[in-house]
Amino acid sequence: QPVVTQEPSLSVSPGGTVTLTCGLSSDSVSTNYYPSWYQQTPGQAPRTLMYSTKIRSSGVPDRFSGSILGNKAALTITGAQADDESDYYCVLYMGSGIKVFGGGTKLTVL
Amino acid sequence: QVQLQESGPGLVKPSETLSLTCTVSGGSISNFFWSWVRQPPGKGLEWIGYSHYSGSTNYNPSLDSRVTISVDTPRNQFSLKLSSVTAADTAVYYCVRDHKEVGDWHLDFWGRGTLVTVSS
Repeated sequence: QPVVTQEPSLSVSPGGTVTLTCGLSSDSVSTNYYPSWYQQTPGQAPRTLMYSTKIRSSGVPDRFSGSILGNKAALTITGAQADDESDYYCVLYMGSGIKVFGGGTKLTVL
Repeated sequence: QVQLQESGPGLVKPSETLSLTCTVSGGSISNFFWSWVRQPPGKGLEWIGYSHYSGSTNYNPSLDSRVTISVDTPRNQFSLKLSSVTAADTAVYYCVRDHKEVGDWHLDFWGRGTLVTVSS
Protein backbone atom coordinates (compact mmCIF):
# COMPACT_ATOMS: atom_id res chain seq x y z
CA GLN A 1 0.00 0.00 0.00
CA PRO A 2 1.39 3.42 -0.90
CA VAL A 3 2.62 5.59 1.96
CA VAL A 4 1.36 9.16 2.19
CA THR A 5 3.87 11.41 3.92
CA GLN A 6 3.36 14.58 5.97
CA GLU A 7 5.58 16.60 8.26
CA PRO A 8 5.03 15.24 11.79
CA SER A 9 5.03 18.71 13.28
CA LEU A 10 5.32 22.36 12.27
CA SER A 11 5.08 25.65 14.06
CA VAL A 12 4.05 29.12 12.98
CA SER A 13 3.87 32.50 14.67
CA PRO A 14 0.51 34.21 14.97
CA GLY A 15 -0.07 36.14 11.75
CA GLY A 16 2.56 34.13 9.94
CA THR A 17 2.39 31.81 6.96
CA VAL A 18 2.97 28.08 7.01
CA THR A 19 2.80 25.40 4.34
CA LEU A 20 1.97 21.78 5.10
CA THR A 21 2.79 19.19 2.44
CA CYS A 22 1.46 15.80 1.42
CA GLY A 23 3.72 13.47 -0.53
CA LEU A 24 3.60 9.96 -1.90
CA SER A 25 6.31 7.36 -1.44
CA SER A 26 5.92 5.92 -4.92
CA ASP A 27 4.91 8.82 -7.16
CA SER A 28 4.51 12.56 -7.54
CA VAL A 29 1.23 13.89 -6.24
CA SER A 30 -0.92 15.47 -8.91
CA THR A 31 -4.50 16.67 -9.08
CA ASN A 32 -5.39 13.16 -10.26
CA TYR A 33 -5.01 12.00 -6.65
CA TYR A 34 -7.80 14.43 -5.64
CA PRO A 35 -5.88 15.69 -2.57
CA SER A 36 -8.09 16.64 0.35
CA TRP A 37 -7.28 18.08 3.78
CA TYR A 38 -8.89 17.64 7.19
CA GLN A 39 -8.44 19.55 10.44
CA GLN A 40 -8.81 17.89 13.83
CA THR A 41 -8.64 19.41 17.29
CA PRO A 42 -8.21 17.17 20.35
CA GLY A 43 -11.32 15.21 21.23
CA GLN A 44 -13.19 16.33 18.13
CA ALA A 45 -14.13 14.71 14.86
CA PRO A 46 -12.16 15.80 11.80
CA ARG A 47 -13.48 18.71 9.77
CA THR A 48 -13.16 18.80 6.00
CA LEU A 49 -11.08 21.82 4.98
CA MET A 50 -10.14 21.42 1.35
CA TYR A 51 -10.85 19.02 -1.49
CA SER A 52 -10.01 18.47 -5.12
CA THR A 53 -6.63 20.10 -4.36
CA LYS A 54 -7.82 23.67 -3.86
CA ILE A 55 -11.56 23.92 -3.22
CA ARG A 56 -12.42 25.16 0.26
CA SER A 57 -15.27 23.45 2.09
CA SER A 58 -18.22 25.55 3.16
CA GLY A 59 -17.33 27.94 5.97
CA VAL A 60 -13.55 27.54 5.69
CA PRO A 61 -11.82 30.93 5.82
CA ASP A 62 -9.87 32.06 2.79
CA ARG A 63 -6.62 32.15 4.75
CA PHE A 64 -6.51 28.42 3.93
CA SER A 65 -5.44 27.58 0.40
CA GLY A 66 -4.52 24.40 -1.42
CA SER A 67 -2.15 23.74 -4.28
CA ILE A 68 0.35 21.39 -5.85
CA LEU A 69 3.91 22.43 -4.99
CA GLY A 70 6.51 20.49 -6.90
CA ASN A 71 5.66 16.83 -6.44
CA LYS A 72 3.44 17.27 -3.38
CA ALA A 73 0.04 18.60 -2.44
CA ALA A 74 0.20 21.60 -0.14
CA LEU A 75 -2.03 23.37 2.35
CA THR A 76 -1.00 26.94 3.10
CA ILE A 77 -2.28 28.98 6.01
CA THR A 78 -1.72 32.73 5.55
CA GLY A 79 -2.17 34.89 8.64
CA ALA A 80 -2.28 32.00 11.10
CA GLN A 81 -4.51 32.36 14.13
CA ALA A 82 -4.40 30.69 17.51
CA ASP A 83 -7.37 28.48 16.74
CA ASP A 84 -5.54 27.05 13.71
CA GLU A 85 -3.51 25.01 16.18
CA SER A 86 -4.68 21.51 15.28
CA ASP A 87 -3.73 18.26 13.64
CA TYR A 88 -4.02 18.30 9.86
CA TYR A 89 -4.43 15.22 7.70
CA CYS A 90 -4.25 14.88 3.96
CA VAL A 91 -5.93 12.11 1.99
CA LEU A 92 -4.99 10.90 -1.45
CA TYR A 93 -7.35 8.98 -3.70
CA MET A 94 -5.75 5.83 -5.12
CA GLY A 95 -8.52 4.80 -7.51
CA SER A 96 -11.47 2.42 -7.12
CA GLY A 97 -12.66 4.39 -4.13
CA ILE A 98 -9.57 3.63 -2.07
CA LYS A 99 -8.26 6.50 0.02
CA VAL A 100 -5.05 6.69 2.05
CA PHE A 101 -4.50 9.09 4.92
CA GLY A 102 -1.20 10.74 5.63
CA GLY A 103 0.22 10.41 9.11
CA GLY A 104 -0.87 13.91 10.06
CA THR A 105 0.89 17.17 10.91
CA LYS A 106 0.62 18.67 14.36
CA LEU A 107 0.59 22.45 13.89
CA THR A 108 1.57 24.67 16.78
CA VAL A 109 0.83 28.40 16.73
CA LEU A 110 3.23 30.22 19.04
CA GLN B 1 -27.53 19.65 6.91
CA VAL B 2 -26.62 15.98 6.87
CA GLN B 3 -25.85 14.51 10.29
CA LEU B 4 -24.33 11.15 11.11
CA GLN B 5 -24.44 9.32 14.44
CA GLU B 6 -22.53 6.18 15.34
CA SER B 7 -23.94 3.59 17.75
CA GLY B 8 -22.87 0.23 19.09
CA PRO B 9 -21.05 -1.50 21.94
CA GLY B 10 -18.14 0.36 23.47
CA LEU B 11 -16.44 -2.82 24.61
CA VAL B 12 -15.72 -5.93 22.54
CA LYS B 13 -13.87 -9.05 23.59
CA PRO B 14 -10.78 -10.22 21.68
CA SER B 15 -11.54 -12.58 18.77
CA GLU B 16 -15.17 -11.40 18.61
CA THR B 17 -16.82 -9.20 15.97
CA LEU B 18 -17.08 -5.45 16.33
CA SER B 19 -20.43 -4.14 15.04
CA LEU B 20 -21.34 -0.47 14.61
CA THR B 21 -24.25 1.31 12.98
CA CYS B 22 -24.38 4.82 11.57
CA THR B 23 -27.72 6.60 11.36
CA VAL B 24 -27.97 9.31 8.71
CA SER B 25 -30.37 12.21 9.21
CA GLY B 26 -31.08 15.36 7.24
CA GLY B 27 -30.64 13.60 3.92
CA SER B 28 -31.10 10.34 2.07
CA ILE B 29 -28.58 7.55 2.14
CA SER B 30 -29.34 6.89 -1.52
CA ASN B 31 -27.04 8.07 -4.27
CA PHE B 32 -24.02 8.34 -1.99
CA PHE B 33 -21.01 6.35 -0.86
CA TRP B 34 -20.54 5.81 2.88
CA SER B 35 -17.24 5.20 4.64
CA TRP B 36 -15.82 4.23 8.01
CA VAL B 37 -12.61 5.77 9.35
CA ARG B 38 -10.89 4.89 12.61
CA GLN B 39 -8.32 6.47 14.91
CA PRO B 40 -6.44 4.52 17.59
CA PRO B 41 -5.80 6.52 20.77
CA GLY B 42 -3.07 9.08 20.17
CA LYS B 43 -2.57 8.02 16.56
CA GLY B 44 -3.62 9.07 13.08
CA LEU B 45 -6.65 8.39 10.94
CA GLU B 46 -7.14 5.22 8.88
CA TRP B 47 -9.71 4.70 6.14
CA ILE B 48 -11.46 1.35 6.62
CA GLY B 49 -13.69 1.13 3.58
CA TYR B 50 -16.92 2.20 1.91
CA SER B 51 -20.24 0.93 0.73
CA HIS B 52 -22.38 2.46 -1.96
CA TYR B 53 -26.14 2.47 -1.42
CA SER B 54 -26.33 0.06 -4.37
CA GLY B 55 -24.29 -2.47 -2.41
CA SER B 56 -20.89 -2.11 -4.05
CA THR B 57 -18.04 -2.01 -1.58
CA ASN B 58 -14.30 -1.51 -1.35
CA TYR B 59 -12.05 -1.93 1.65
CA ASN B 60 -8.59 -1.01 2.90
CA PRO B 61 -6.43 -3.92 1.72
CA SER B 62 -4.91 -4.22 5.20
CA LEU B 63 -8.36 -4.96 6.67
CA ASP B 64 -10.12 -6.51 3.68
CA SER B 65 -10.34 -10.06 5.06
CA ARG B 66 -12.08 -8.93 8.26
CA VAL B 67 -14.34 -6.05 7.17
CA THR B 68 -17.92 -5.89 5.97
CA ILE B 69 -19.70 -2.59 5.33
CA SER B 70 -23.33 -2.56 4.26
CA VAL B 71 -26.12 -0.05 3.67
CA ASP B 72 -29.72 -0.37 4.91
CA THR B 73 -31.57 2.06 2.67
CA PRO B 74 -35.06 1.79 4.27
CA ARG B 75 -33.59 2.62 7.70
CA ASN B 76 -31.19 5.26 6.32
CA GLN B 77 -28.35 3.50 8.10
CA PHE B 78 -25.10 1.83 7.24
CA SER B 79 -23.03 -0.55 9.29
CA LEU B 80 -19.53 -1.83 9.96
CA LYS B 81 -18.55 -5.33 11.01
CA LEU B 82 -14.94 -6.12 11.86
CA SER B 83 -14.22 -9.73 12.78
CA SER B 84 -11.52 -11.38 14.89
CA VAL B 85 -10.67 -8.17 16.72
CA THR B 86 -7.55 -7.66 18.81
CA ALA B 87 -6.35 -4.85 21.05
CA ALA B 88 -4.93 -3.18 17.93
CA ASP B 89 -8.50 -2.54 16.80
CA THR B 90 -9.17 -0.30 19.81
CA ALA B 91 -9.99 3.07 18.30
CA VAL B 92 -12.49 5.84 17.81
CA TYR B 93 -14.62 4.83 14.83
CA TYR B 94 -16.11 7.55 12.61
CA CYS B 95 -18.82 7.13 10.03
CA VAL B 96 -18.42 9.50 7.08
CA ARG B 97 -20.22 10.42 3.90
CA ASP B 98 -18.23 10.29 0.70
CA HIS B 99 -18.66 12.97 -1.91
CA LYS B 100 -17.95 11.65 -5.38
CA GLU B 101 -18.16 13.46 -8.69
CA VAL B 102 -16.09 13.77 -11.84
CA GLY B 103 -12.61 14.85 -10.80
CA ASP B 104 -13.18 14.48 -7.09
CA TRP B 105 -13.78 11.97 -4.33
CA HIS B 106 -13.46 13.13 -0.75
CA LEU B 107 -14.98 12.71 2.70
CA ASP B 108 -17.44 15.49 3.47
CA PHE B 109 -19.74 14.87 6.46
CA TRP B 110 -18.41 13.19 9.61
CA GLY B 111 -20.07 11.62 12.64
CA ARG B 112 -18.80 12.52 16.10
CA GLY B 113 -17.11 9.17 16.51
CA THR B 114 -17.49 6.36 19.02
CA LEU B 115 -14.75 4.72 21.06
CA VAL B 116 -14.56 0.96 20.84
CA THR B 117 -12.24 -0.81 23.24
CA VAL B 118 -11.15 -4.40 22.67
CA SER B 119 -10.51 -6.06 25.99
CA SER B 120 -11.47 -9.16 27.91
